[in-house]
Amino acid sequence: QQQVKQSPQSLIVQKGGISIINCAYENTAFDYFPWYQQFPGKGPALLIAIRPDVSEKKEGRFTISFNKSAKQFSLHIMDSQPGDSATYFCAARSSEKLVFGKGMKLTVNP
Amino acid sequence: EAGVTQSPTHLIKTRGQQATLRCSPISGHTSVYWYQQALGLGLQFLLWYDEGEERNRGNFPPRFSGRQFPNYSSELNVNALELEDSALYLCASSFRTQQPQHFGDGTRLSIL
Repeated sequence: QQQVKQSPQSLIVQKGGISIINCAYENTAFDYFPWYQQFPGKGPALLIAIRPDVSEKKEGRFTISFNKSAKQFSLHIMDSQPGDSATYFCAARSSEKLVFGKGMKLTVNP
Repeated sequence: EAGVTQSPTHLIKTRGQQATLRCSPISGHTSVYWYQQALGLGLQFLLWYDEGEERNRGNFPPRFSGRQFPNYSSELNVNALELEDSALYLCASSFRTQQPQHFGDGTRLSIL
């Protein structure tokens, strides 16, 4: 019940394309859903986050869509750039503990 | 503003030894979290400290322990090291509870 399932495991898109990462969860006690971006040799950096009472949040080229009834949320990266090439993790929080998806490696070709 | 800082960057130990990893949170942050990022296992929650007290613990054996000091910095101790303890250990901090967690770049622990 503590799992967060993330898909796909990897994605290759062309510059200017849209990258979409999906996550699903079971635990209804999760109260906060952040996305992190991690470059090789670095720690995860907080990208954007949403609470379950909001269905969508947009910050620049990044948008989170949240479907509470389906227990699913997704990250859309618009106008993907080569600098976006990184590993992306979705997460869900319960009692201050973050439960992470397995991550998705994004490659944006120039 | 300085981010979360961790030391050392790399640590090499042998089986059975003990390791100590250190973390300095972002200035003003009182909560510190430890996570393990192991190959194939992803990011897993280890420990949460707030105001000097251990508040929550993940599914790890008791040989993983830590503490938080009065200045809110923290250290993670791993006793009786095993080969499977090889991983990147990440520290995160937040301004009080229910706030976003910000990560450091981690300590790479290698067990030979």
